[in-house]
Amino acid sequence: GEDVEQSLFLSVREGDSSVINCTYTDSSSTYLYWYKQEPGAGLQLLTYIFSNMDMKQDQRLTVLLNKKDKHLSLRIADTQTGDSAIYFCAEGNSGYSTLTFGKGTMLLVSP
Amino acid sequence: DSGVTQTPKHLITATGQRVTLRCSPRSGDLSVYWYQQSLDQGLQFLIQYYNGEERAKGNILERFSAQQFPDLHSELNLSSLELGDSALYFCASSVAGNGSPLHFGNGTRLTVT
Repeated sequence: GEDVEQSLFLSVREGDSSVINCTYTDSSSTYLYWYKQEPGAGLQLLTYIFSNMDMKQDQRLTVLLNKKDKHLSLRIADTQTGDSAIYFCAEGNSGYSTLTFGKGTMLLVSP
Repeated sequence: DSGVTQTPKHLITATGQRVTLRCSPRSGDLSVYWYQQSLDQGLQFLIQYYNGEERAKGNILERFSAQQFPDLHSELNLSSLELGDSALYFCASSVAGNGSPLHFGNGTRLTVT
């Protein structure tokens, strides 16, 4: 079946850029997503990219997709302490009903 | 605010009991999903409904059941509860349920003592 892998932890200093990486196995993925989960809250949809795109930029967020290597990354520019959270990568396929999530990357931003 | 409403926010109950978790999807969304999140298992997909019909089943135990009503709200029923059922239970909704974005509620934290 489909699988989504992420590194478990990333620590950065405030003001630096953060890059969170994700790999997936389903070559027929149609959409790739990034969700953010703050403590005690649900998953918040941050951004998503269609599989026919290479890059998407949304304010401080840049998503890069390498479809050949099945690699997705999320870059957060000028990372703030409020960005500390768990970030989930997910892939979706129009042929399947639901999304497949990675286990999440905990981002810790120190002042 | 995602527009998905889950009640209750917290639930504490004893082993062997039965509870019902409730979810109202975003306005216009026809598909509802239930997920379980625990520290050791991560985010596990349980079940999906689309416009009242079961669409997909994940790692849902036989002690658990769900339904989606004509007004599109959904309930997840958990019975014969065990300590290991303690977790965060999330509901999510989407427009079409075919890989389209999921919008999550804030979850119900279930503690089984």
